[in-house]
Amino acid sequence: DAGVIQSPRHEVTEMGQEVTLRCKPISGHDYFFWYRQTMMRGLELLIYFNNNVPIDDSGMPEDRFSAKMPNASFSTLKIQPSEPRDSAVYFCASSQGDFGANVLTFGAGSRLTVL
Amino acid sequence: AQSVAQPEDQVNVAEGNPLTVKCTYSVSGNPYLFWYVQYPNRGLQFLLKYITGDNLVKGSYGFEAEFNKSQTSFHLKKPSALVSDSALYFCAVRDPTGGSYIPTFGRGTSLIVHP
Repeated sequence: DAGVIQSPRHEVTEMGQEVTLRCKPISGHDYFFWYRQTMMRGLELLIYFNNNVPIDDSGMPEDRFSAKMPNASFSTLKIQPSEPRDSAVYFCASSQGDFGANVLTFGAGSRLTVL
Repeated sequence: AQSVAQPEDQVNVAEGNPLTVKCTYSVSGNPYLFWYVQYPNRGLQFLLKYITGDNLVKGSYGFEAEFNKSQTSFHLKKPSALVSDSALYFCAVRDPTGGSYIPTFGRGTSLIVHP
């Protein structure tokens, strides 16, 4: 398995533009997560899905952020409009639900810079 | 509620010396505990976990961690540090009795191993 695949790895955009980050989880994993990492706030959980259904989006900063998971092999995180304070590294992760473990496998991250 | 604390932002150690990265947690019941490592420009990678059983858990790259229920700690250790161990280390906790499937991550500790 190629692991969790994220794209793009780097994105530089201007304030007000729409940003779409993409992720392909590991096949067979039924939990899926979007995280954001910044120096100031550390690692923040934005939203997670179970079997493609959003379960908890309380970590999504505001309505400018939206996440979708149309099928088990693809998810997007969209920011519209983007702002400089959205600059961060965004990670997706997936896990296979079983008793106790819930070890997360992370992608390599998408580094977003909003100018 | 579940929470985890990593009291040190940074740990410095000389190559060949033993290292310890500290983690304390708070949960209502018996915890599931995890350590992850993040190398520069990479996603988090799973190192080891404690679910039940032996309090001393061995993981990847020669790391181990000891679960101490009375001190609510799960410190990460390695007998002899390598320069290549320099990275950001995250402790995570999950309280299975609390109904959450989602681990809570600490803020991370930067380990710097000097040649």
